[in-house]
Amino acid sequence: EIVLTQSPGTLSLSPGERATLSCRASQSVTSSYLAWYQQKPGQAPRLLIYGASSRATGIPDRFSGSGSGTDFTLTISRLEPEDFAVYYCQQYGSSPRTFGQGTKLEIK
Amino acid sequence: EEQLVQSGAEVKMSGESLRISCKGSGYSFSNYWIGWVRQMSGKGLEWVGIIYPGDSETRYSPSFQGQVTISADKSTSTAYLQWSSLKASDTAMYYCARLFPRATGYMDVWGKGTTVTVSS
Repeated sequence: EIVLTQSPGTLSLSPGERATLSCRASQSVTSSYLAWYQQKPGQAPRLLIYGASSRATGIPDRFSGSGSGTDFTLTISRLEPEDFAVYYCQQYGSSPRTFGQGTKLEIK
Repeated sequence: EEQLVQSGAEVKMSGESLRISCKGSGYSFSNYWIGWVRQMSGKGLEWVGIIYPGDSETRYSPSFQGQVTISADKSTSTAYLQWSSLKASDTAMYYCARLFPRATGYMDVWGKGTTVTVSS
């Protein structure tokens, strides 16, 4: 099973700042099958990024993903108030599919 | 509009059986895998398993194998997650989601979730 470790656990930033979230895999992720999801309180997760770097439909271009192999990054270039949420990475190339434990992005 | 509509919240006693549902619309339900994800209160996302409604091929996470059963009825575009004997530790929110474009796919359409509460 591929273990995904996200860091930091909590990130405190202000609107307008840049956020960098990390996701490290215990072994190489097949074909960069790595996705990022955003979850706000009381809501279902929402797909942001798939294939490590492709934005999902309707996702603003301030969200970007990068990385390959075992190291992946989600970057939010300029934080908007609605971006404060929990972010999860997920690998979907190997069974079982696994999620990281999440990074909480909070307002400083 | 592609969407997944999940059944309502459930409150059960330990030892009871339960089946929750996830109904798809706005796309060809039979042709895409559906996955189930558990989220315990205040915790992260856990992969339960997936099903292909076209032929009901099913794959489970080792952590959930034997603990739950995933099924689907393509005639009604509905997937199910069921328990034969609930435990208090099954208390959680359960989400269904479509996997796109195949079994090795990302989850692009999500249901709103079904809360399951099991009292001992």
